[in-house]
Amino acid sequence: NAGVMQNPRHLVRRRGQEARLRCSPMKGHSHVYWYRQLPEEGLKFMVYLQKENIIDESGMPKERFSAEFPKEGPSILRIQQVVRGDSAAYFCASSPYPSGALFFGEGSRLTVL
Amino acid sequence: DAKTTQPTSMDCAEGRAANLPCNHSTISGNEYVYWYRQIHSQGPQYIIHGLKNNETNEMASLIITEDRKSSTLILPHATLRDTAVYYCIVRVDYSTSGTYKYIFGTGTRLKVLA
Repeated sequence: NAGVMQNPRHLVRRRGQEARLRCSPMKGHSHVYWYRQLPEEGLKFMVYLQKENIIDESGMPKERFSAEFPKEGPSILRIQQVVRGDSAAYFCASSPYPSGALFFGEGSRLTVL
Repeated sequence: DAKTTQPTSMDCAEGRAANLPCNHSTISGNEYVYWYRQIHSQGPQYIIHGLKNNETNEMASLIITEDRKSSTLILPHATLRDTAVYYCIVRVDYSTSGTYKYIFGTGTRLKVLA
């Protein structure tokens, strides 16, 4: 029973490029959360999605960031025109139902040069 | 907008019980308390959760005060591998649709000493 899979594990981008981070939730899980973690800091909530719906995107910057969780395929966090301040670890978590515990992936580490 | 406060760091001797406190004085009646830990920079790992009653599983025990304003995570026999950042989280209920948000605070950095 595979856990939450995130890829790529490490991504390097130059300023102005686009970053796409993918998250495949655990089998049977239809709720996905994305968190961002800056070095030496805690996890900051970004967005909560169910299949094909964004439930809460209050933690996501209004510009350059977007997230989706299509009916088929992984959830994707997209960052356009990346800046150095976007360098961070991005964690995805999934849950089988709204009140279930979250299960986290190992994260995607974005470095912007 | 974290609803919890925790000490920044704690030390514990190997083999002894580690008691990690958490204050959540603004918790609402049906909001659960969750504990996670993060070892190095790995993905956070679920430990335990509870609402009112004390809870125990193979990893830890959770003691919640009667007024629910604080709780304590207990690792009964800490090992070196328990060195990690421990996060106490209040699961926030959305007003509709039965969905929830988990807000992480800054956590407690536990160091288990040999």
